[in-house]
Amino acid sequence: SQQGEEDPQALSIQEGENATMNCSYKTSINNLQWYRQNSGRGLVHLILIRSNEREKHSGRLRVTLDTSKKSSSLLITASRAADTASYFCATANLGQGGKLIFGQGTELSVKP
Amino acid sequence: NAGVTQTPKFRVLKTGQSMTLLCAQDMNHEYMYWYRQDPGMGLRLIHYSVGEGTTAKGEVPDGYNVSRLKKQNFLLGLESAAPSQTSVYFCASSYAGFSYNEQFFGPGTRLTVL
Repeated sequence: SQQGEEDPQALSIQEGENATMNCSYKTSINNLQWYRQNSGRGLVHLILIRSNEREKHSGRLRVTLDTSKKSSSLLITASRAADTASYFCATANLGQGGKLIFGQGTELSVKP
Repeated sequence: NAGVTQTPKFRVLKTGQSMTLLCAQDMNHEYMYWYRQDPGMGLRLIHYSVGEGTTAKGEVPDGYNVSRLKKQNFLLGLESAAPSQTSVYFCASSYAGFSYNEQFFGPGTRLTVL
């Protein structure tokens, strides 16, 4: 069963623009993680935000978490062509042994 | 330090054939996982292991078996492959429990069942 619903499914922007991806989930979580997947490759962990945190930064990445709305967003600032990839949110849910449940992903294309 | 490696990278099977996918990690991680990724479906957990000699079912375990005889290796077996098992399979590992640490992924195995 899918927990995270990601929006949009696909996003195309120009280099230098900001990219925002959203993730909504259904049940209470322990934490939420974002991963990136380049075409034909495995997933790479980007950032983890715990349920008691509201915002986290890592380089050009900014993640927010709103547990009241059961949603998270990933913002990539000043995007580069190398940011082209699929981005997945994954939730570690309470009462599920903490297993990660992945969303369907957002496919980001950054045009030079 | 190779991280997580998977063997083979590609495989084509006929319906009913069997095969084993091998995952190895050199990070001394306790936890290991097998996922499958299908178009538009994200990743779904097949089986996982919380330590050497242990295995547990994930979300979609039917048709698969696993073994963790050594801490660094996690094997995924298909006893009688079906076309519905055509997918990309990813192995991952983590230092501790699911929720507290990032998972490190292998490069994937692309399996086609004819």
